[in-house]
This record gives sequence, structure tokens and C-alpha cells, in this order.
Amino acid sequence: GQQVQQSPASLVLQEGENAELQCNFSTSLNSMQWFYQRPGGSLVSLFYNPSGTKHSGRLTSTTVIKERRSSLHISSSQTTDSGTYLCALVNNAGAKLTFGGGTRLTVRP
Amino acid sequence: NSKVIQTPRYLVKGQGQKAKMRCIPEKGHPVVFWYQQNKNNEFKFLINFQNQEVLQQIDMTEKRFSAECPSNSPCSLEIQSSEAGDSALYLCASSLWGVAETLYFGSGTRLTVL
Repeated sequence: GQQVQQSPASLVLQEGENAELQCNFSTSLNSMQWFYQRPGGSLVSLFYNPSGTKHSGRLTSTTVIKERRSSLHISSSQTTDSGTYLCALVNNAGAKLTFGGGTRLTVRP
Repeated sequence: NSKVIQTPRYLVKGQGQKAKMRCIPEKGHPVVFWYQQNKNNEFKFLINFQNQEVLQQIDMTEKRFSAECPSNSPCSLEIQSSEAGDSALYLCASSLWGVAETLYFGSGTRLTVL
């Protein structure tokens, strides 16, 4: 089965609303990264967060290893936040990232 | 912001043709990854390098792709004989220490095989 599962698959918000994106993984974790993919392709690194909570502006990432989950919280969403959010993990067995299926976020004005 | 540069942005090839794409990693980053992202947003790891040496690659890459990361030249990934199923976004990423830290991705090369 899939090692990394993201939910929801898609999400529509009104500007100003908050969003909570989830990433669940079935294997042991070595590192966890969150990326934002713009429409058109380029991936932007948001967080490298193997455990605990990290903040960056309106974004907060929390990884709880023993529960095998990581979340990305977006507060006060803006239309420019629209795009796909991807989590990716590295487990102890490998040296490459395994990506989740992504959450496609649309923020309406 | 990422300084990984990928060219070309778009590539259109016929079946059976070679398809070559290039990547300049961030300066000072010895580790380079190539990923394929299909139309369903699924990522497939293809190959990674540390300096000029291949660290890991999947079977498909070994059999059908030619890839290298020469010193003082862009890294390249070339499909020897393109197939329709190769149509995808090819993403290059670099880092200082591999996946144990942040990977920086380029904008990708979108390959269409007619």
C-alpha cells in the first residue's frame, strides 16, 4: 500500500479561512519535508521537519513521529496560496524522498 | 528561493526519439536527484548522484535512460528511445547532504511524447 497518504485530496477555501492539511505515513520516519508546487510545476520547499513544530509566517508544520503523521496549517489563506501541497518522507531504509499524492488547494477571493 | 536551473522548460518528441534534459544544481550542492511526476501527480524517483557518482537508480533508468553529472557541466538525463508513457514533468533537485536536509527543486522539464 501507499507509504504516504495526504488528505484531503482537494480543498476550496474563501480567502481568510484557515486550512489544515494532513500527511500520514506507514513506515518509520527519518525526515519529513513539505513542498508547495505552483501551477506549472516548480516545487518550493516549505519545511524540513522530521519532528516537532515549526513556523514560517502563516504556515505551521507539526510532525508527530509516534503517531506517524505530519500536518501543515495555513492561517488566513490568500489567493496566492492556491496550488498543490506535497509532503515527502525519507524512511530509515532509503535515501530518497517518497511523496504523498498532494492536496490541491484553491483559495477564492 | 531555489537556484536549480532546468532546461528546456518544454520538450516535445516523437516516439522512438531521444529526449535530453539538463539541470544545473545550486552552487556547492554535490547531491542531485531526478524525479518524474506524471499527470496524476505521482512522483517516481529516477536516479541520484553525489558529485559525479550514481548513488541509486531504478531499473527503468538503468535500462532506458542515460544520466550523468560531470564536473563543471550541467547534469543531464536522456531518454534513449521515448515512449508515450514517458510524457511527464521531470524534476531535478539538489542538496548539500541528500534527503537528510532540504531539497531544492528546479522548475522542471515537461516532456510530451507524441
